[in-house]
Amino acid sequence: EVQLVESGGGLVQPGGSLKLSCAASGFTFSSYEMSWVRQAPGKDLEWISFITNSGGSKYHADSVKGRFTISRDNAKNSVYLQMNSLRADDTAVYYCASGHFEYWGQGTLVTVSS
Amino acid sequence: DVVMTQSPLSLAVTLGQPASISCRSSQSLVYSGGNIILHWFQQRPGQSPRRLIFNLSYRASGVPDRFSGSGSDTDFTLKISRVEAEDVGLYYCMQGAHWPWTFGQGTKVEIK
Repeated sequence: EVQLVESGGGLVQPGGSLKLSCAASGFTFSSYEMSWVRQAPGKDLEWISFITNSGGSKYHADSVKGRFTISRDNAKNSVYLQMNSLRADDTAVYYCASGHFEYWGQGTLVTVSS
Repeated sequence: DVVMTQSPLSLAVTLGQPASISCRSSQSLVYSGGNIILHWFQQRPGQSPRRLIFNLSYRASGVPDRFSGSGSDTDFTLKISRVEAEDVGLYYCMQGAHWPWTFGQGTKVEIK
């Protein structure tokens, strides 16, 4: 069974940092590109980051560029999202998904508030 | 950035009747090789999104054949041939032809 399980969300103060993890199982992780997508409460989906299967190429949305960094560890079947300089408008459920969105995790909530 | 515009934003449909959602892109989504990189997602209440249609018209694994995607260049349509109760939720189009990838605003489908 394919699973993507996100972790690392929580409450953080503005300006703070958080690192999200996404553990994959049930498919050949190293063959798949991966993405992060977020959804603010009651709002639409927003694609934010993408990484190729080797990790050699990465893309980020302008809204997070310079603050968020996607990475992966194929030996651990995991993809990460390092989030720095967090702002209130980063509050959202963060989903990891396979590169072409075949598989999605259940999401992890990040709340940025003082 | 490519702007994806969906219409309508809300749709109430009688069970068993068809439904149609439009999505328009501000730029052509024709990618190298002639593929159109336009996807449709369903998000049921309280659930993660699920891919329904990829590359314009290919149904994802496990998706009922009452869902179909069509269109060309900048104008796309998701059709549900006969709406069922389990189809209630939000539907999003998304383009993957240009960075950054962008989603439409979402269309809420309800049962009348």
